[in-house]
Amino acid sequence: AQSVTQLGSHVSVSEGALVLLRCNYSSSVPPYLFWYVQYPNQGLQLLLKYTSAATLVKGINGFEAEFKKSETSFHLTKPSAHMSDAAEYFCAVSDIGGNKLTFGTGTQLKVEL
Amino acid sequence: DSGVTQTPKHLITATGQRVTLRCSPRSGDLSVYWYQQSLDQGLQFLIQYYNGEERAKGNILERFSAQQFPDLHSELNLSSLELGDSALYFCASSPDGDSGNTIYFGEGSWLTVV
Repeated sequence: AQSVTQLGSHVSVSEGALVLLRCNYSSSVPPYLFWYVQYPNQGLQLLLKYTSAATLVKGINGFEAEFKKSETSFHLTKPSAHMSDAAEYFCAVSDIGGNKLTFGTGTQLKVEL
Repeated sequence: DSGVTQTPKHLITATGQRVTLRCSPRSGDLSVYWYQQSLDQGLQFLIQYYNGEERAKGNILERFSAQQFPDLHSELNLSSLELGDSALYFCASSPDGDSGNTIYFGEGSWLTVV
């Protein structure tokens, strides 16, 4: 079964600093990978997705992620954090032959002044 | 706004009761998904429907059932409720059921069982 592991349940950065949220996947075949963001009391919003077209994926709000097969990773980055980025971020993998998403445990991002 | 509409937004009910959560997918989307989000289990896939037919099943309890109607809206029925069923229930939709399709989530229905 496919799965994703998010390292660090809580990450804290200063405003303007680099954001790095880690995600490693476990899959026997190249997967489809996603990053979603959940703001307080809201639903999940897609940030970006990898579907094998390009290894560097650009998403909304200045986020991007790089698919690295050799490291089985799909880390999410943003060059400069903003207060509005404070939220919970979920990495997810889509199963082959269907579209069921398996989510990681989430990383709560805190942005400090 | 994702275009996925869920009702009710909040629901408080007693143990042993039965509730129905309703979902309207984005216009044109054929596939509907239900997820449960709780503190101890995280985000768990429950079930997927595609154009009225069950497509995939996840960690859905036997006390729970779902269906997708001809107009493509979906309902999740939760019965014999227990305290542990308290959670945020998300509905989501996608254009079809193929891998890699973007899945759009509603804002969820908060269920509290007391």
